[in-house]
Amino acid sequence: EAGVTQFPSHSVIEKGQTVTLRCDPISGHDNLYWYRRVMGKEIKFLLHFVKESKQDESGMPNNRFLAERTGGTYSTLKVQPAELEDSGVYFCASSQPGFPYEQYFGPGTRLTVT
Amino acid sequence: LAKTTQPISMDSYEGQEVNITCSHNNIATNDYITWYQQFPSQGPRFIIQGYKTKVTNEVASLFIPADRKSSTLSLPRVSLSDTAVYYCLVGDTGRRALTFGSGTRLQVQP
Repeated sequence: EAGVTQFPSHSVIEKGQTVTLRCDPISGHDNLYWYRRVMGKEIKFLLHFVKESKQDESGMPNNRFLAERTGGTYSTLKVQPAELEDSGVYFCASSQPGFPYEQYFGPGTRLTVT
Repeated sequence: LAKTTQPISMDSYEGQEVNITCSHNNIATNDYITWYQQFPSQGPRFIIQGYKTKVTNEVASLFIPADRKSSTLSLPRVSLSDTAVYYCLVGDTGRRALTFGSGTRLQVQP
């Protein structure tokens, strides 16, 4: 069974540009999450989708971040315009509905804003 | 969300048993205790989850005392490949967002 995949693995952009990160969850997982770790900090929750609906977006830092999950399959996280403080590693995770509440993480996308 | 406290780092040798204790004094009735492992350049990986008493799987054991204010992850006979950061998380599964702390950096030496 394929795991959670993320694309790209690494992105380098200039301040003010736009970047779109993609996450493909494990097939059949209704729950999809975005997290990020900025330099030297802890991994922080961004938002949670249940199928195509945003269940919890309390962790989204500001309106420069837009997450979508059309059709309840893959998800994208767009940062527009990117700022220096957005640099970090963005993780996507997915989980099946119900117990156990195990989240499967992807390898992450390392975003560098210069 | 219950705050967790765990050692910043631990050292061990191959073949030894490693116990990592996590404190979560204000754990709520609905909270589960979950441990994740993270290797460099990878996403966290689920190890084990429990609510009370003892849980064991093919990778580790999780010991939770009756008051649930702490938990201990036990890794039997560690190898070099167990060198990683281990996170203790406590949360209400009704809210699925995971809250990561700083974790415990385990270094296993030959």
